[in-house]
Amino acid sequence: QSALTQPPSASGSPGQSVTISCTGISTDVGGYSHVSWYQQYPGKAPKLIIYDANKWPSGVPDRFSGSKSGSTASLTVSGLQAEDEADYYCSSYAGNNQWLFGGGTKVTVL
Amino acid sequence: EVQLVESGGGLVQPGGSLRLSCAASGFTFTRSWMTWVRQAPGKGLEWVANIKQDGSEEYYVDSVKGRFTISRDNAKNLLYLQMNSLRAEDTAVYYCARHPGQSFDWWGQGTLVTVSS
Repeated sequence: QSALTQPPSASGSPGQSVTISCTGISTDVGGYSHVSWYQQYPGKAPKLIIYDANKWPSGVPDRFSGSKSGSTASLTVSGLQAEDEADYYCSSYAGNNQWLFGGGTKVTVL
Repeated sequence: EVQLVESGGGLVQPGGSLRLSCAASGFTFTRSWMTWVRQAPGKGLEWVANIKQDGSEEYYVDSVKGRFTISRDNAKNLLYLQMNSLRAEDTAVYYCARHPGQSFDWWGQGTLVTVSS
């Protein structure tokens, strides 16, 4: 199984929106609604920000939103803030008790 | 507050072994699937293994099958990862994480494993 495909980088100015894609295939992203997104600062542990494609864990601002269509999931960060500058990873259940991550996207706030 | 604290990382020679531990607190450990995820230096995340609440089921990524063993001690709220026949490509920060449903909702700070001669 291959890693999910994410763009290596994305950027936006403060207040703008940025959308990150996460592309898989029919046996992972396309086959399940179990896509999650994680935010990671350098040297820190990842933090769950979206689960089941579009649900928020407690405490995560609704500036972060998720969606899924077919084999592609997306994370949108609205009202971009300086603190949103981080790496973002998607993850999907891939069947047979296996999980995949994307390669990660570095978001830069211009 | 949920806390996960990993330990046991270090420098090991190729072919060597290491056992990682993860001490859990702040939640009912016996009700939670648990998982190990690793991150090679400068690289992305990779799911490694997970284990059911009672330890009766465990699953692994293909690259570690037969070399790594995940286990847990529910009496001590501890999660383990026994790593044998280590290779250079196993060099990574290893994170333990709680695994409810199909996501990983709480993560430890990670422990670095370096495989090098």
